[in-house]
Amino acid sequence: GENVEQHPSTLSVQEGDSAVIKCTYSDSASNYFPWYKQELGKGPQLIIDIRSNVGEKKDQRIAVTLNKTAKHFSLHITETQPEDSAVYFCAASEAAAGNKLTFGGGTRVLVKP
Amino acid sequence: GAVVSQHPSRVICKSGTSVKIECRSLDFQATTMFWYRQFPKKSLMLMATSNEGSKATYEQGVEKDKFLINHASLTLSTLTVTSAHPEDSSFYICSARDLADAKNIQYFGAGTRLSVL
Repeated sequence: GENVEQHPSTLSVQEGDSAVIKCTYSDSASNYFPWYKQELGKGPQLIIDIRSNVGEKKDQRIAVTLNKTAKHFSLHITETQPEDSAVYFCAASEAAAGNKLTFGGGTRVLVKP
Repeated sequence: GAVVSQHPSRVICKSGTSVKIECRSLDFQATTMFWYRQFPKKSLMLMATSNEGSKATYEQGVEKDKFLINHASLTLSTLTVTSAHPEDSSFYICSARDLADAKNIQYFGAGTRLSVL
């Protein structure tokens, strides 16, 4: 089955700086890669996703890149703000597997004012 | 749009009792819903895939008789933790996929924190 590794597990940045989280996946058949933000005691919220037919996607301060050959994808947050502090999860899924999501271990991001 | 409601948000029960958790898609229909379990400071682990009108598909190691799943309509799936014990204490989260959306995005509920005394 799919295995997703996520790094780093914790990330502390100064407000205004950029944050980068990296994930690798094992199943070359995976074709959908969402990123979720989870605040304490709440469910995950989709913040951005990318499919295997594109290499990069951007939405305001958030961008995601995908390298299919190397089987890794990354989340980039620019101009970080204190409200970006949360746990971020990457995930991968593949249609033939019923579109089940396999999650990375999560990254706890702390943006210091 | 794409709101998933999960109820209750918090439940405390005695050991040996059963607890039912509801997951509703409020503004879309979902033939498929997913149930996850999350331990403190850990990632989400898929427990089972809930299919409307048919039996749920459980992940390896998840006890079917312990975690009963019913998906009787296109907007409601329930997870019943039977004869709960302290080791069942956890954060349970559901997600749903919009039947009409070919993108197959999963939308998550807010989670249910179960504490078994």
